[in-house]
Amino acid sequence: EAQVTQNPRYLITVTGKKLTVTCSQNMNHEYMSWYRQDPGLGLRQIYYSMNVEVTDKGDVPEGYKVSRKEKRNFPLILESPSPNQTSLYFCASSLSTSGQPQHFGDGTRLSIL
Amino acid sequence: RKEVEQDPGPFNVPEGATVAFNCTYSNSASQSFFWYRQDCRKEPKLLMSVYSSGNEDGRFTAQLNRASQYISLLIRDSKLSDSATYLCVVYSPASGAGSYQLTFGKGTKVWVIP
Repeated sequence: EAQVTQNPRYLITVTGKKLTVTCSQNMNHEYMSWYRQDPGLGLRQIYYSMNVEVTDKGDVPEGYKVSRKEKRNFPLILESPSPNQTSLYFCASSLSTSGQPQHFGDGTRLSIL
Repeated sequence: RKEVEQDPGPFNVPEGATVAFNCTYSNSASQSFFWYRQDCRKEPKLLMSVYSSGNEDGRFTAQLNRASQYISLLIRDSKLSDSATYLCVVYSPASGAGSYQLTFGKGTKVWVIP
């Protein structure tokens, strides 16, 4: 089954404790992206990757890191999480960047205390 | 002017009625358009692409008006299960050859009521 898989689905942690949210897709998609969604602000792009070893900042990259060592994986890293990073996070992928629809993972709800 | 704007609603729609709402975009060079549906605390799911000539998928009709720079979504014979937030997505050319910028609207809430 074609899918984007995120883990964990839920995480409650404390300020400053490094965490990684994994994202994996099995569709051989070139383009992958991370979003956060907050009430009243909609989906905002954090980072995106157009292919292996190519990553770029989105609209709200501060406090986040990503890597794209393999085509299928695009982990989101919070080196020193802070409470303002409490949010609902979505990973998405698409075949390419040229106007293809995105497929989303189930979401990860992060709470930073 | 924001790049992509939607009326946040909510639109309270009696079951069986028709509802329509728009999404305006500011970049006239925008090339691809989509409607997504998002249920509460779930991931957005692709509802339909929007083609220049307009397109229909069952009870859903999407239209593109390039002159006025908006896309629309019409839902006929609304079902209770249509209650959701509808997000528009616009692809626009970005700096860098062959690259596109993807912008989401904040969504329009629709409640279908019995």
